[in-house]
Amino acid sequence: GQNIDQPTEMTATEGAIVQINCTYQTSGFNGLFWYQQHAGEAPTFLSYNVLDGLEEKGRFSSFLSRSKGYSYLLLKELQMKDSASYLCAVSSPGGSQGNLIFGKGTKLSVKP
Amino acid sequence: DSGVTQTPKHLITATGQRVTLRCSPRSGDLSVYWYQQSLDQGLQFLIQYYNGEERAKGNILERFSAQQFPDLHSELNLSSLELGDSALYFCASSLPSEDTQYFGPGTRLTVL
Repeated sequence: GQNIDQPTEMTATEGAIVQINCTYQTSGFNGLFWYQQHAGEAPTFLSYNVLDGLEEKGRFSSFLSRSKGYSYLLLKELQMKDSASYLCAVSSPGGSQGNLIFGKGTKLSVKP
Repeated sequence: DSGVTQTPKHLITATGQRVTLRCSPRSGDLSVYWYQQSLDQGLQFLIQYYNGEERAKGNILERFSAQQFPDLHSELNLSSLELGDSALYFCASSLPSEDTQYFGPGTRLTVL
Protein backbone atom coordinates (compact mmCIF):
# COMPACT_ATOMS: atom_id res chain seq x y z
CA GLY A 1 0.00 0.00 0.00
CA GLN A 2 0.87 3.65 0.01
CA ASN A 3 1.64 5.25 3.34
CA ILE A 4 3.28 8.47 4.42
CA ASP A 5 3.73 9.27 8.11
CA GLN A 6 4.69 12.54 9.74
CA PRO A 7 3.99 13.96 13.19
CA THR A 8 0.68 15.76 13.54
CA GLU A 9 1.94 18.75 15.49
CA MET A 10 5.20 20.28 16.68
CA THR A 11 6.06 23.35 18.70
CA ALA A 12 9.32 25.28 18.63
CA THR A 13 10.76 28.57 19.80
CA GLU A 14 11.60 31.56 17.65
CA GLY A 15 15.27 31.48 16.64
CA ALA A 16 15.62 27.75 17.27
CA ILE A 17 16.04 24.80 14.90
CA VAL A 18 13.32 22.23 14.26
CA GLN A 19 13.38 18.94 12.36
CA ILE A 20 10.20 17.50 10.85
CA ASN A 21 10.43 13.82 10.00
CA CYS A 22 8.64 11.88 7.31
CA THR A 23 8.64 8.14 6.65
CA TYR A 24 7.12 6.57 3.60
CA GLN A 25 6.14 3.24 2.07
CA THR A 26 5.06 3.52 -1.54
CA SER A 27 4.90 1.19 -4.51
CA GLY A 28 7.04 3.52 -6.59
CA PHE A 29 9.43 6.35 -5.89
CA ASN A 30 10.64 9.15 -8.13
CA GLY A 31 11.41 11.69 -5.46
CA LEU A 32 10.21 13.39 -2.29
CA PHE A 33 8.71 16.85 -1.93
CA TRP A 34 8.15 19.23 0.95
CA TYR A 35 5.45 21.88 0.78
CA GLN A 36 4.55 24.66 3.21
CA GLN A 37 0.91 25.54 3.76
CA HIS A 38 -0.31 28.45 5.85
CA ALA A 39 -3.85 28.08 7.18
CA GLY A 40 -6.43 28.64 4.47
CA GLU A 41 -3.80 29.18 1.79
CA ALA A 42 -2.32 27.12 -1.03
CA PRO A 43 0.57 24.73 -0.49
CA THR A 44 3.82 26.24 -1.75
CA PHE A 45 6.77 24.21 -2.99
CA LEU A 46 9.80 24.12 -0.68
CA SER A 47 12.10 21.33 -1.82
CA TYR A 48 12.54 18.22 -3.95
CA ASN A 49 14.94 15.36 -3.20
CA VAL A 50 15.68 12.64 -5.69
CA LEU A 51 19.03 11.35 -4.47
CA ASP A 52 20.15 10.50 -0.95
CA GLY A 53 21.64 13.30 1.05
CA LEU A 54 21.04 16.83 2.19
CA GLU A 55 19.75 19.68 0.03
CA GLU A 56 20.18 23.13 1.52
CA LYS A 57 18.19 26.17 0.49
CA GLY A 58 18.65 29.15 2.78
CA ARG A 59 17.15 28.50 6.22
CA PHE A 60 15.51 25.30 4.97
CA SER A 61 17.23 21.97 4.32
CA SER A 62 15.79 18.62 3.31
CA PHE A 63 17.34 15.20 3.71
CA LEU A 64 16.51 11.91 2.02
CA SER A 65 17.44 8.29 2.67
CA ARG A 66 15.81 6.09 0.05
CA SER A 67 16.99 2.83 1.64
CA LYS A 68 15.30 3.78 4.92
CA GLY A 69 12.21 5.38 3.37
CA TYR A 70 12.94 8.47 5.42
CA SER A 71 13.18 12.20 4.96
CA TYR A 72 13.33 15.24 7.16
CA LEU A 73 12.89 18.97 6.75
CA LEU A 74 15.18 21.13 8.84
CA LEU A 75 14.20 24.71 9.59
CA LYS A 76 16.86 26.98 11.10
CA GLU A 77 16.59 30.38 12.77
CA LEU A 78 12.87 29.94 13.15
CA GLN A 79 10.66 32.96 12.59
CA MET A 80 7.06 33.51 13.61
CA LYS A 81 6.04 33.40 9.95
CA ASP A 82 7.26 29.78 9.78
CA SER A 83 4.16 28.77 11.74
CA ALA A 84 2.38 26.63 9.15
CA SER A 85 1.69 23.04 8.12
CA TYR A 86 4.48 21.20 6.36
CA LEU A 87 3.45 18.52 3.90
CA CYS A 88 5.64 15.61 2.88
CA ALA A 89 4.78 14.14 -0.54
CA VAL A 90 6.20 11.24 -2.53
CA SER A 91 6.25 11.15 -6.30
CA SER A 92 4.90 7.76 -7.28
CA PRO A 93 3.75 7.92 -10.90
CA GLY A 94 1.32 5.44 -12.28
CA GLY A 95 -0.67 5.17 -9.11
CA SER A 96 -4.18 6.27 -8.43
CA GLN A 97 -3.22 9.46 -6.64
CA GLY A 98 -2.06 11.64 -9.48
CA ASN A 99 1.69 11.26 -9.10
CA LEU A 100 2.07 12.91 -5.68
CA ILE A 101 1.04 11.09 -2.52
CA PHE A 102 0.70 13.57 0.35
CA GLY A 103 1.09 12.98 4.03
CA LYS A 104 -1.44 14.57 6.37
CA GLY A 105 0.96 17.36 7.26
CA THR A 106 2.77 18.54 10.38
CA LYS A 107 1.39 21.67 12.00
CA LEU A 108 4.31 23.71 13.33
CA SER A 109 3.72 26.41 15.91
CA VAL A 110 6.55 28.85 16.51
CA LYS A 111 6.36 30.64 19.86
CA PRO A 112 8.23 33.77 21.00
CA ASP B 1 2.11 33.76 -6.89
CA SER B 2 2.39 30.30 -8.47
CA GLY B 3 0.90 31.33 -11.81
CA VAL B 4 -2.09 29.01 -11.36
CA THR B 5 -5.40 30.86 -11.16
CA GLN B 6 -8.68 29.70 -9.70
CA THR B 7 -12.12 31.26 -9.68
CA PRO B 8 -14.14 32.00 -7.73
CA LYS B 9 -12.21 32.56 -4.52
CA HIS B 10 -15.27 31.99 -2.35
CA LEU B 11 -18.57 30.27 -3.09
CA ILE B 12 -21.57 29.97 -0.81
CA THR B 13 -24.48 27.83 -1.90
CA ALA B 14 -27.25 25.60 -0.59
CA THR B 15 -27.59 21.84 -0.31
CA GLY B 16 -28.75 20.17 -3.50
CA GLN B 17 -27.26 22.83 -5.75
CA ARG B 18 -24.60 22.51 -8.45
CA VAL B 19 -21.45 24.62 -8.79
CA THR B 20 -18.53 24.87 -11.19
CA LEU B 21 -14.99 25.70 -10.12
CA ARG B 22 -12.51 26.92 -12.69
CA CYS B 23 -8.75 26.59 -12.95
CA SER B 24 -6.18 27.95 -15.38
CA PRO B 25 -2.77 26.26 -15.22
CA ARG B 26 0.62 27.94 -15.54
CA SER B 27 1.76 28.67 -19.06
CA GLY B 28 3.31 25.50 -20.53
CA ASP B 29 1.83 23.12 -17.98
CA LEU B 30 -0.24 20.32 -19.50
CA SER B 31 -1.30 18.52 -16.32
CA VAL B 32 -4.02 19.75 -14.02
CA TYR B 33 -4.82 18.16 -10.66
CA TRP B 34 -7.80 18.75 -8.37
CA TYR B 35 -7.65 18.32 -4.59
CA GLN B 36 -10.16 18.68 -1.77
CA GLN B 37 -9.09 19.80 1.68
CA SER B 38 -11.64 19.76 4.48
CA LEU B 39 -11.08 21.62 7.76
CA ASP B 40 -7.91 20.38 9.46
CA GLN B 41 -7.67 17.51 6.98
CA GLY B 42 -4.99 16.56 4.52
CA LEU B 43 -5.10 17.06 0.79
CA GLN B 44 -7.37 14.52 -0.87
CA PHE B 45 -6.56 13.90 -4.53
CA LEU B 46 -9.64 13.95 -6.73
CA ILE B 47 -8.62 13.74 -10.37
CA GLN B 48 -5.84 14.52 -12.86
CA TYR B 49 -6.02 15.62 -16.49
CA TYR B 50 -3.18 15.69 -18.97
CA ASN B 51 -3.60 17.64 -22.20
CA GLY B 52 -7.35 17.15 -22.21
CA GLU B 53 -7.43 13.50 -21.21
CA GLU B 54 -8.20 12.01 -17.81
CA ARG B 55 -4.95 10.55 -16.44
CA ALA B 56 -5.73 9.43 -12.89
CA LYS B 57 -8.72 9.33 -10.62
CA GLY B 58 -8.66 9.38 -6.85
CA ASN B 59 -11.44 9.39 -4.29
CA ILE B 60 -13.79 11.47 -6.38
CA LEU B 61 -17.50 11.10 -5.73
CA GLU B 62 -19.86 10.24 -8.58
CA ARG B 63 -21.57 13.59 -7.95
CA PHE B 64 -18.32 15.29 -8.95
CA SER B 65 -16.94 15.52 -12.46
CA ALA B 66 -14.20 17.41 -14.22
CA GLN B 67 -12.88 18.19 -17.65
CA GLN B 68 -9.94 19.91 -19.29
CA PHE B 69 -10.56 22.04 -22.34
CA PRO B 70 -8.41 22.57 -25.47
CA ASP B 71 -7.00 25.79 -24.02
CA LEU B 72 -5.95 23.61 -21.01
CA HIS B 73 -8.11 25.30 -18.43
CA SER B 74 -10.09 22.90 -16.29
CA GLU B 75 -13.44 22.88 -14.55
CA LEU B 76 -14.60 20.84 -11.57
CA ASN B 77 -18.36 20.35 -11.37
CA LEU B 78 -19.93 19.50 -8.04
CA SER B 79 -23.62 18.56 -8.02
CA SER B 80 -26.28 17.59 -5.48
CA LEU B 81 -24.18 19.37 -2.91
CA GLU B 82 -24.17 18.21 0.69
CA LEU B 83 -23.02 19.94 3.86
CA GLY B 84 -19.97 17.67 3.93
CA ASP B 85 -18.78 19.03 0.59
CA SER B 86 -17.82 22.28 2.29
CA ALA B 87 -14.06 22.48 1.86
CA LEU B 88 -11.17 24.18 0.13
CA TYR B 89 -10.74 22.97 -3.43
CA PHE B 90 -7.28 23.36 -4.91
CA CYS B 91 -6.11 23.04 -8.45
CA ALA B 92 -2.46 22.36 -9.24
CA SER B 93 -0.51 22.12 -12.47
CA SER B 94 2.81 20.73 -13.63
CA LEU B 95 5.07 20.62 -16.67
CA PRO B 96 5.00 17.49 -18.85
CA SER B 97 8.48 16.41 -17.78
CA GLU B 98 8.33 17.33 -14.12
CA ASP B 99 6.62 16.08 -10.98
CA THR B 100 6.58 19.39 -9.11
CA GLN B 101 3.03 20.61 -8.73
CA TYR B 102 2.22 24.29 -8.33
CA PHE B 103 -0.99 25.11 -6.53
CA GLY B 104 -3.58 27.76 -7.19
CA PRO B 105 -5.02 29.89 -4.36
CA GLY B 106 -8.04 27.62 -3.98
CA THR B 107 -11.79 28.03 -3.92
CA ARG B 108 -13.47 27.96 -0.53
CA LEU B 109 -16.86 26.29 -0.92
CA THR B 110 -19.45 26.65 1.82
CA VAL B 111 -22.64 24.60 1.56
CA LEU B 112 -25.44 25.80 3.83
